[in-house]
Amino acid sequence: NAGVTQTPKFRILKIGQSMTLQCTQDMNHNYMYWYRQDPGMGLKLIYYSVGAGITDKGEVPNGYNVSRSTTEDFPLRLELAAPSQTSVYFCASSYSISGAHEQFFGPGTRLTVL
Amino acid sequence: SQKIEQNSEALNIQEGKTATLTCNYTNYSPAYLQWYRQDPGRGPVFLLLIRENEKEKRKERLKVTFDTTLKQSLFHITASQPADSATYLCAPRGGSQGNLIFGKGTKLSVKP
Repeated sequence: NAGVTQTPKFRILKIGQSMTLQCTQDMNHNYMYWYRQDPGMGLKLIYYSVGAGITDKGEVPNGYNVSRSTTEDFPLRLELAAPSQTSVYFCASSYSISGAHEQFFGPGTRLTVL
Repeated sequence: SQKIEQNSEALNIQEGKTATLTCNYTNYSPAYLQWYRQDPGRGPVFLLLIRENEKEKRKERLKVTFDTTLKQSLFHITASQPADSATYLCAPRGGSQGNLIFGKGTKLSVKP
């Protein structure tokens, strides 16, 4: 199993550009998450999904959009990139959302907005 | 609001000693608490989960305690090794949907 994969690994965007961060998991997990991690800070939840077709906002959703058309894929969309979105983005998946099961994380996407 | 504090940003210890990391939470009572390890440039990796009705959980050289009265979890690494050097994240269950809330982490450095 590949686990959770993310693409790209690195990206530099200009202010106002758009991009999609890709995330795929092969563990048949219903629950998937997008986090951002700024230097010296904890992981902040952006969006999460409890299954195909169902998504919900996390703690810091502004400036982002998500979709979940399949169990495997959970892309994160930035429509109008801003310098405040410079961060490392992690996708994760889990068997349940209750906290009773571990989350599996991808390797991350390092995004810089200039 | 729910708050997680890992009260040491960095911890430096000598090889062979026991490392003890602290996680405090306020304004709620999580049913579960997880600990993760994160190496530079990589995603977090799950280490241990402890439930509110469990006082202690062990896995090899790792031990986690969960004191619901003090609202605190302690994470111990015994016989520490330089390979244990990493950032350790505490993540109690919280949030409106029961999502995990991650602390800022403690960066552990084990010197030979």
